Amino acid sequence: EPEVTQTPSHQVTQMGQEVILRCVPISNHLYFYWYRQILGQKVEFLVSFYNNEISEKSEIFDDQFSVERPDGSNFTLKIRSTKLEDSAMYFCASSVDMIRNTEAFFGQGTRLTVV
Amino acid sequence: KQEVTQIPAALSVPEGENLVLNCSFTDSAIYNLQWFRQDPGKGLTSLLLIQSSQREQTSGRLNASLDKSSGRSTLYIAASQPGDSATYLCAVRMDSSYKLIFGSGTRLLVRP
Repeated sequence: EPEVTQTPSHQVTQMGQEVILRCVPISNHLYFYWYRQILGQKVEFLVSFYNNEISEKSEIFDDQFSVERPDGSNFTLKIRSTKLEDSAMYFCASSVDMIRNTEAFFGQGTRLTVV
Repeated sequence: KQEVTQIPAALSVPEGENLVLNCSFTDSAIYNLQWFRQDPGKGLTSLLLIQSSQREQTSGRLNASLDKSSGRSTLYIAASQPGDSATYLCAVRMDSSYKLIFGSGTRLLVRP
């Protein structure tokens, strides 16, 4: 069964360093998302991406964050200068479209630890 | 601002019991509602999606209902098994929005 895959599963980085989280969405999906879950808190939306553009973003997604689809399969989230409060599980998700086939499928997540 | 609440926060039942998990939302202008399962330290597995025009969806032992006007959804699990132990999350998508808004989940333990 097709699935969203994320790498790495766990990343430890020093405060102030740049980090790139990688995702391979399901191949026929057109909409891509990043969410995060701080330990013990709700899953929070960060950004959605369609047709090589950000379609919606939350207030969390400030200038320190960026997304890119560098080729036909990968979807990345970059955090430019990590802070301690960026420590969280980051989930990538994808869906076919936003009208009929809107079911979002999530990856297994990348646990980011900023020290 | 949409708020999604799940009650109870935790639930422990003996194997074989039928159970109901609740999800409520404050703004009824939703496009759809999706139920997920999350195992500890793992990703989210989609269980069921209900469009705003639907009243219920079924998949195996799972049945999800939606009462949009009252802002409520329930997830019914029949004949629970220890393998059902996980956190169950509901999430809503609003009209004209791409994002899912999540509840804080119900942590279910099914005792053998």
